[in-house]
Amino acid sequence: QQQVKQSPQSLIVQKGGISIINCAYENTAFDYFPWYQQFPGKGPALLIAIRPDVSEKKEGRFTISFNKSAKQFSLHIMDSQPGDSATYFCAATWGNTPLVFGKGTRLSVIA
Amino acid sequence: DADVTQTPRNRITKTGKRIMLECSQTKGHDRMYWYRQDPGLGLRLIYYSFDVKDINKGEISDGYSVSRQAQAKFSLSLESAIPNQTALYFCATQLGRTKDTQYFGPGTRLTVL
Repeated sequence: QQQVKQSPQSLIVQKGGISIINCAYENTAFDYFPWYQQFPGKGPALLIAIRPDVSEKKEGRFTISFNKSAKQFSLHIMDSQPGDSATYFCAATWGNTPLVFGKGTRLSVIA
Repeated sequence: DADVTQTPRNRITKTGKRIMLECSQTKGHDRMYWYRQDPGLGLRLIYYSFDVKDINKGEISDGYSVSRQAQAKFSLSLESAIPNQTALYFCATQLGRTKDTQYFGPGTRLTVL
């Protein structure tokens, strides 16, 4: 299975709150899991990525949590800000194959 | 990213017309991709190319064709456009390893009437 299932489709979070976006996969061969961030009118851009040999990766307010046994990974945005309002895509790949993207989550951070 | 450019940025066309979307990059990357974005469907891969002599179909290649004219240029054609090809199209580039970052262009919004 090449699918990556992403949820929720949309998310509204208060400023200062924690945003959590989840992704699940079936293909146990996947060995690289990036998250891309897309602002309106722009192309997606890499935000953060993780490999399955670690359970967590943190970059500033953004953290990826990875659960290999459950075949799930999630993006946590701490202290969410209005500037974080964007669409977020999880993705996965293995070997030399192209990225498989989730369907995206539209995040709105309201003051 | 200004290193990846797409032309045109917006295009309105009629059913049955042939359309070409162009992508150019100055990043020196060997890998290039064409995606289509639809609301609620995410990014779907149309075609990809790992070098000038390499062309591969993606998830949704039917109704599309591509040309890799040079390492820096990758064009997407719709031979006979239909309304359900109305979407946002993105080109992306990547240095020669799949674990490297993909850099996306600004997108082309295509409307087929």
